Amino acid sequence: DSGVTQTPKHLITATGQRVTLRCSPRSGDLSVYWYQQSLDQGLQFLIQYYNGEERAKGNILERFSAQQFPDLHSELNLSSLELGDSALYFCASSVTGGGGGYTFGSGTRLTVV
Amino acid sequence: GDSVTQMEGPVTLSEEAFLTINCTYTATGYPSLFWYVQYPGEGLQLLLKATKADDKGSNKGFEATYRKETTSFHLEKGSVQVSDSAVYFCALSDQANSGYALNFGKGTSLLVTP
Repeated sequence: DSGVTQTPKHLITATGQRVTLRCSPRSGDLSVYWYQQSLDQGLQFLIQYYNGEERAKGNILERFSAQQFPDLHSELNLSSLELGDSALYFCASSVTGGGGGYTFGSGTRLTVV
Repeated sequence: GDSVTQMEGPVTLSEEAFLTINCTYTATGYPSLFWYVQYPGEGLQLLLKATKADDKGSNKGFEATYRKETTSFHLEKGSVQVSDSAVYFCALSDQANSGYALNFGKGTSLLVTP
């Protein structure tokens, strides 16, 4: 157990729907990162939050959004889902900015049908 | 922009063989370099890291040296075990250009046979 908790582990939904993925960072970590892993694109950085504030944004679609709450847990919202959004979504956390590397959760596997 | 290139897999080795997985990078700043490992059905785990040129990261028998002159960070292990079978990702973090976001290579799958 890495200490980073992601729920749910698996999610199957239909095209056009909206889902919310949840991440609880490791105790004491202030930064949360979201990554998408797919066979064709590999691991893509989506977005980073640090202590409730957005810190960096990567290849995140406009249909996707995220937030970090006062208790430091984070949610990734995916809307108007398309078949191509099917992927593994990982959350990672670090104490500060992450220069020493992150701790990853075990991921949420999203299947859009 | 920054990028990481890894040798394509899969790599298949016999137990106790020597392992090298090549990784080269492109970065405009002075990145930190990482190797992560992903076992089936699990998230990524940090294997080792190096933050400046000539640093050697090591962990669990794996080593990698940050070579600025060749922009490389090759992963090596002297004697692999079946339990090393996993996907290995090289990554960089270039704070000056992209904060602490990790830029990953596409991963190299390693299969070690008894």
